[in-house]
Amino acid sequence: GDSVTQMEGPVTLSEEAFLTINCTYTATGYPSLFWYVQYPGEGLQLLLKATKADDKGSNKGFEATYRKETTSFHLEKGSVQVSDSAVYFCALSGRNNDYKLSFGAGTTVTVRA
Amino acid sequence: KAGVTQTPRYLIKTRGQQVTLSCSPISGHRSVSWYQQTPGQGLQFLFEYFSETQRNKGNFPGRFSGRQFSNSRSEMNVSTLELGDSALYLCASSLTGDGETQYFGPGTRLLVL
Repeated sequence: GDSVTQMEGPVTLSEEAFLTINCTYTATGYPSLFWYVQYPGEGLQLLLKATKADDKGSNKGFEATYRKETTSFHLEKGSVQVSDSAVYFCALSGRNNDYKLSFGAGTTVTVRA
Repeated sequence: KAGVTQTPRYLIKTRGQQVTLSCSPISGHRSVSWYQQTPGQGLQFLFEYFSETQRNKGNFPGRFSGRQFSNSRSEMNVSTLELGDSALYLCASSLTGDGETQYFGPGTRLLVL
């Protein structure tokens, strides 16, 4: 079945540092790929998405490119802020009529001032 | 548009009791999905409903059930609660469900004592 493997955390960075969170997936066909973010005590918020190969999703300085050849969707941000401290989840939707998201384990990111 | 709403936000129950959680999707969204989030198992898919029909169900015991009403609002029920059912229960909605962005509510935090 579909699955997502995500870089384990926790990750601790200083403000203005570069952030990368690796995400690879296994799926049949052409899934849609997502990054969600969860702040303490809240639900999941969509950060960005990509629906086909070579698409780049971007939002709030975060970017991720759908790489079909390496089955990857790594999240990057060039200069993190304290407010980026959160848990980040990589997810896929198989578009194979199973109507669900498959999630990675989540990566906790802490940014220190 | 108002986002996905879930009630109640917090709930404390004892073993053996049952609980009903409610979810109101974004207006116009007809697909509603439920997920369980725990520190040990991460985010796991419970079930998905569209036009009052369950289209997919995750690997959970029959104590977990759900339904969807004609206005797309959904409820999930857990009977004979166990300690291990303590979790954050997240509801998500999308237009039709397959391959689309799912928008999450804030969740219901259930504590079973």
